[in-house]
Parts: sequence; structure tokens; C-alpha cells
Amino acid sequence: SQKIEQNSEALNIQEGKTATLTCNYTNYSPAYLQWYRQDPGRGPVFLLLIRENEKEKRKERLKVTFDTTLKQSLFHITASQPADSATYLCALSFSGGYNKLIFGAGTRLAVHP
Amino acid sequence: DAGVTQSPTHLIKTRGQHVTLRCSPISGHKSVSWYQQVLGQGPQFIFQYYEKEERGRGNFPDRFSARQFPNYSSELNVNALLLGDSALYLCASSLIWTSGRRSVVTNEQFFGPGTRLTVL
Repeated sequence: SQKIEQNSEALNIQEGKTATLTCNYTNYSPAYLQWYRQDPGRGPVFLLLIRENEKEKRKERLKVTFDTTLKQSLFHITASQPADSATYLCALSFSGGYNKLIFGAGTRLAVHP
Repeated sequence: DAGVTQSPTHLIKTRGQHVTLRCSPISGHKSVSWYQQVLGQGPQFIFQYYEKEERGRGNFPDRFSARQFPNYSSELNVNALLLGDSALYLCASSLIWTSGRRSVVTNEQFFGPGTRLTVL
């Protein structure tokens, strides 16, 4: 069956450390993998997109890797801050003209001062 | 510039009623998608519309329907509400670019704040 799995337990880290979140998928062949941030009661906010032929992408303190052999993406936040506390969602999307997203359940990140 | 707007923000209905949710995309965005997010889960794709036509449909019953208007705003309708329809309903808009005669929807989606629907 098709699945997207993210760490179901909350990730608690100390301010200044690097947070690493994992997204694994099975029985999908996405052309793109995206990461979104969601705060309580709000809609998701786009952070980064990585294509199937890209290994790594960076944006400021964020870094995403995409391994299509392992069917896994890692999302890193370096020098984490309490303001980074939120739920992070990974989403798969596919080529073909429209951009339906298949989301994981998300991982809640808590950064403590 | 205004982001994606949705109305109402909250709604309480009883089983069997119907509901209409509204979405206005970012100016210039012609594609609108609807997602349902149940507490503790990721959003689930319901519909995508662009150029006023349905372009994709998720695994939802026929009680769910939608449409897109000439100004690219959209409505989601749910009939015969069930308790399990209680969720946050999210609307997302995207740009469309054309290459020759081919239209492609960009992958980045901009989400609205959602409508929280409670069915009692």
C-alpha cells in the first residue's frame, strides 16, 4: 500500500542545535518533494521544494535532501530558534500538469530556550 | 498583497445539513485546490480546479462538490454532513504557466487559513 511516514512523536531540541526531520514513503514515484510549516489553527506555509533529480537544496538555515533510492527525504533546520517550533509536513507531488499534494501526518518540533 | 482568503473561519452544523465554503485565491493565481485536514493528520486532497474545470479529484464521496468562478474564486459544497466531516478545510492557490499549448500548474501552493467545520 502507499504510505508517507513522518516521525509521529514530537521532536524536542535545545535552541542552537540542528533539528533533523525524516520523511519516508513507499509505493510512490514523486517528481517533487516539498516541505511545509504549519502553526496551530493556520494553513501550511511552503518552505522548500526538491526535484527527483536533485540531491540537496538549501535556503538560509534550511536544508533538504532527497534520496529516491531510499525513498526518503531529510529536512534540517540549523541554529534552531524557539520561533521554529511548529509542525512540519512533507508532501509528494507528481509530474503531469496538475499539482495534487500527498501529505504526511507531520512532525511537531519544539525548540526550547 | 492579500494572501488566500477563506470564509467563514468557523462553522457549526448538524448532521444531514449542507455547507458551502468559499475561497479567493491570490491575485493572478488561476488554480485552486481544496484539502481536508482532520486533527492530527496531514491535509488530504479533495479537488483541484483551474480554468473553471475540475482537474483532479481525491478519494471523497459524491457528497463533496466544488466549482470555480470566472474570477478564479471557488466554492466547496458538502451535502448530507456526517460527524466525520468535522475538519479544517484548506484552500490553496497556485500559478499556471503555459508552454506552447500546454498549461502547467506550478508546484508551490499557497494555503489560506482554513475553515474550521464542526458537525454535531
